[in-house]
Amino acid sequence: ETGVTQTPRHLVMGMTNKKSLKCEQHLGHNAMYWYKQSAKKPLELMFVYSLEERVENNSVPSRFSPECPNSSHLFLHLHTLQPEDSALYLCASSSVPGLRQYFGPGTRLTVT
Amino acid sequence: DAKTTQPNSMESNEEEPVHLPCNHSTISGTDYIHWYRQLPSQGPEYVIHGLTSNVNNRMASLAIAEDRKSSTLILHRATLRDAAVYYCILRDLGNTPLVFGKGTRLSVIA
Repeated sequence: ETGVTQTPRHLVMGMTNKKSLKCEQHLGHNAMYWYKQSAKKPLELMFVYSLEERVENNSVPSRFSPECPNSSHLFLHLHTLQPEDSALYLCASSSVPGLRQYFGPGTRLTVT
Repeated sequence: DAKTTQPNSMESNEEEPVHLPCNHSTISGTDYIHWYRQLPSQGPEYVIHGLTSNVNNRMASLAIAEDRKSSTLILHRATLRDAAVYYCILRDLGNTPLVFGKGTRLSVIA
């Protein structure tokens, strides 16, 4: 247990569906991150939030929409995804951006 | 972020020490050397980090070359549970997120 939880752990969705991934951290951290890990590729940073404000967006397509309503919760809203978006989506948190990061177990997403 | 170079894979026998190398010839003076690992079906986890001096914790040791252009993560006695992908990452003092490379896949043989 890292103190970072993600739900659901597995998700299968069609290309026309809308779904959301949820991340919650119980560590009192102020920074949260979304990463994408595709098969046989390095982890790719998608978004960074610090004190509930987005501070980094790494050219992620608009079909991925993050939301950080408070410092403990982070969402990734998904709509009209493509099969190539199938991947493991990992959430992480740290006390401030740049310090040691704690990762959740990830959500395995399959787009059919 | 400065880049790191790691072998794609390594193999170790159980109960033996493992030395995982990392080259970072373009490291800057303010770059810290971080190591994370990712066990199968899990998110990455922090292992250790250092700047100039060698570091030890309950998981591993980090040996940093005097010129800081390379470092070695040392697992003193590999167990089957240490089989994972190990990432060596450089990170400066600023608020920069982690940038992962491909890492080294460590296999441990019983």
